[in-house]
Amino acid sequence: GQNIDQPTEMTATEGAIVQINCTYQTSGFNGLFWYQQHAGEAPTFLSYNVLDGLEEKGRFSSFLSRSKGYSYLLLKELQMKDSASYLCAVADSNYQLIWGAGTKLIIKP
Amino acid sequence: IAGITQAPTSQILAAGRRMTLRCTQDMRHNAMYWYRQDLGLGLRLIHYSNTAGTTGKGEVPDGYSVSRANTDDFPLTLASAVPSQTSVYFCASSEGRAPQELFFGEGSRLTVL
Repeated sequence: GQNIDQPTEMTATEGAIVQINCTYQTSGFNGLFWYQQHAGEAPTFLSYNVLDGLEEKGRFSSFLSRSKGYSYLLLKELQMKDSASYLCAVADSNYQLIWGAGTKLIIKP
Repeated sequence: IAGITQAPTSQILAAGRRMTLRCTQDMRHNAMYWYRQDLGLGLRLIHYSNTAGTTGKGEVPDGYSVSRANTDDFPLTLASAVPSQTSVYFCASSEGRAPQELFFGEGSRLTVL
């Protein structure tokens, strides 16, 4: 079966750095997405990785290792507004998105 | 720019009733999707449409139907609602077929009693 694993919840301190991991087992791979979802709101796109390596976008970076079936989202200089759920999704061989259950990130002052 | 508009925002429905969730986008995106989101589970695809006039089944299509008469509208119908369909429903669109960035509506919270 296809599976996306992420930690259920993480806690970090304002101003710090946090890394949210995502491991996947899918039938084929056509890219990995990260979305941010604030409570009660719609998911919004953060990043897309299809090749191995690190992609940086401001305070957020996303890393992919296809051989390990592994990705992480790195958030730097954490702000209170970063408190949200972070969703990992993989496009499989049929280009269908398989979603993880999301990681709830709690930022403490 | 509205993006994607869903209606209603929230609804309580008696089991056995018929319900249509509306979704309209103004971005002229070709592809549209309906997902449900349940606590502890990832988003699950119900139905999708790669272009106007075509639809396809996702991971959990049973009990739901969709139509795509034009580019902008993609309604989701529950023919006879059951309590297990209590969920938050998100409509999304993308410019083309996956894998592309999805743009989501604000969601419709449906409770079936």
